[in-house]
Amino acid sequence: DAKTTQPNSMESNEEEPVHLPCNHSTISGTDYIHWYRQLPSQGPEYVIHGLTSNVNNRMASLAIAEDRKSSTLILHRATLRDAAVYYCILRSYGGATNKLIFGTGTLLAVQP
Amino acid sequence: KAGVTQTPRYLIKTRGQQVTLSCSPISGHRSVSWYQQTPGQGLQFLFEYFSETQRNKGNFPGRFSGRQFSNSRSEMNVSTLELGDSALYLCASSVLAGNYEQYFGPGTRLTVT
Repeated sequence: DAKTTQPNSMESNEEEPVHLPCNHSTISGTDYIHWYRQLPSQGPEYVIHGLTSNVNNRMASLAIAEDRKSSTLILHRATLRDAAVYYCILRSYGGATNKLIFGTGTLLAVQP
Repeated sequence: KAGVTQTPRYLIKTRGQQVTLSCSPISGHRSVSWYQQTPGQGLQFLFEYFSETQRNKGNFPGRFSGRQFSNSRSEMNVSTLELGDSALYLCASSVLAGNYEQYFGPGTRLTVT
């Protein structure tokens, strides 16, 4: 399974944009890039996913590099509630499985 | 719509005992996956069920087992508990196998003494 690399931690100020990077240099053509986050004392929650084009939803935006070897999760205006561990995960659609391989993720701290 | 529920939320067991954890997926979801989360190993995939069949299994010893019922509810069992089994056990459900979005429950915190 292809691996992802993320910074261990990042800090942001409330109401400012946050850019969370993810490197996935061994990504294959059938790998989708998924992001989940885990708030304190909760299970992970889905944030966003994409294949090649940039994606937007109500929670965040996903910017994917042209060569697909890296991506950036963008929180447009961080709130205190966004403090969580963010996981970048590659999912292949070669097989019908829901298995997620979590790395260590990025711990995002949001300062008021 | 109710989310994924897991019972019990907290559990304390003694080494050598066995334990059964339960997961009720979101109504209409047929796929259930289980994960173990520890401070040292992070989130690790245990197994995945779809329509009562185990589709995938992680790298865990045979003491860890699971099953899924016809109503999609799932249970996981750990026999002969070890101290290292202390962890947060998370269940996730999705509509179909291979579906991109999974919904996680709050987890069961298991402590083995």
